[in-house]
Amino acid sequence: AQSVTQPDIHITVSEGASLELRCNYSYGATPYLFWYVQSPGQGLQLLLKYFSGDTLVQGIKGFEAEFKRSQSSFNLRKPSVHWSDAAEYFCAVGEDSGAGSYQLTFGKGTKLSVIP
Amino acid sequence: ETGVTQTPRHLVMGMTNKKSLKCEQHLGHNAMYWYKQSAKKPLELMFVYNFKEQTENNSVPSRFSPECPNSSHLFLHLHTLQPEDSALYLCASSRHGGANTDTQYFGPGTRLTVL
Repeated sequence: AQSVTQPDIHITVSEGASLELRCNYSYGATPYLFWYVQSPGQGLQLLLKYFSGDTLVQGIKGFEAEFKRSQSSFNLRKPSVHWSDAAEYFCAVGEDSGAGSYQLTFGKGTKLSVIP
Repeated sequence: ETGVTQTPRHLVMGMTNKKSLKCEQHLGHNAMYWYKQSAKKPLELMFVYNFKEQTENNSVPSRFSPECPNSSHLFLHLHTLQPEDSALYLCASSRHGGANTDTQYFGPGTRLTVL
């Protein structure tokens, strides 16, 4: 069964600083990988996803992630963090459930705090 | 984002109550999902419906009973819950196909407290 590890529970960065959130996965086949963001009291919003091709994936809000098969990692990055990026970030791996739907397995999340 | 709506947003219930959570998607999708988000635990998939048929039941206790009358609506019927069932319940939908061609869109969730 697939699993996702986000080693950092809570990260604090200063506004304008760069950001990297770590994600490691365990999955036997080619993984479908996702990053979601959840603001307080809100549902999850998709930032970006990887399924094949270029290992550097661009997403919304200036985020990008790089898939490294040799390290089983899919780390999320942003060159300059804004105060509005404060939220909780979830990495997930997807697996086809069959019959036109798929199952997401999520990490425990990393809460990002931004210092003005 | 109003693509997936959930009602109510907050619910407090006793262990002997019966209540229902509602999810509606306005995206024309064919697959719908229930997830449970507890404090300090990863999001857990509970149920999957595709074209109104349940395709996944992730070993969920029978006190949770899903219903999908059509591709736009998904319900989660609750009865005789336990305090440990207190959590944020998230609904999601996706158009069809595997993860590489599809995206799950999430609602804002229902914050459930069981007393």
